[in-house]
Amino acid sequence: GAVVSQHPSRVICKSGTSVKIECRSLDFQATTMFWYRQFPKQSLMLMATSNEGSKATYEQGVEKDKFLINHASLTLSTLTVTSAHPEDSSFYICRADRGAEAFFGQGTRLTVV
Amino acid sequence: QKEVEQNSGPLSVPEGAIASLNCTYSDRGSQSFFWYRQYSGKSPELIMFIYSNGDKEDGRFTAQLNKASQYVSLLIRDSQPSDSATYLCAVNWGEAGNMLTFGGGTRLMVKP
Repeated sequence: GAVVSQHPSRVICKSGTSVKIECRSLDFQATTMFWYRQFPKQSLMLMATSNEGSKATYEQGVEKDKFLINHASLTLSTLTVTSAHPEDSSFYICRADRGAEAFFGQGTRLTVV
Repeated sequence: QKEVEQNSGPLSVPEGAIASLNCTYSDRGSQSFFWYRQYSGKSPELIMFIYSNGDKEDGRFTAQLNKASQYVSLLIRDSQPSDSATYLCAVNWGEAGNMLTFGGGTRLMVKP
């Protein structure tokens, strides 16, 4: 079964609204989680590294005020896309590592209309 | 800039054949190597990982690592149509998780 659970799997929102995506590690603790974005026919692009109890680390070009990350517990990280616009429509995927193995959540298909 | 390169494909093989997927990486200090399979619209799932030079077999899958030549490959024996997907190579440069870098992926098509 899944070891990393991500919700929701699909969301449609209106332009200008905010959307929260949750990522949970199910049977292990993850002090660090990772958030990726994937556009159609492209590879995964790391957006940010979520650190439990401290600020997230964002990759170059990713707006921290637009993509809010909260890692309040050892099993939960959330990504909030604020003031979403159609260009934010994408497939968002979280990742947590159990030892040396990286596991991905099921992904969230975000469509902003 | 650390890079992981894969041929985007598509790689087309007939059912029952061996599919060979290749990946090269730029940094000799890389420590661990992973192959993920991603079906369209789904998130990647781990197939295999390899740390040491040589071959590692798991069922129909064999990962091959050659650190001197800086390449890692994945062989799929007796390919099935259900193997049709994008295969992502990932390389971990160090112990920190955010040093895991993905290649662009190779799309594999297995034709009945």
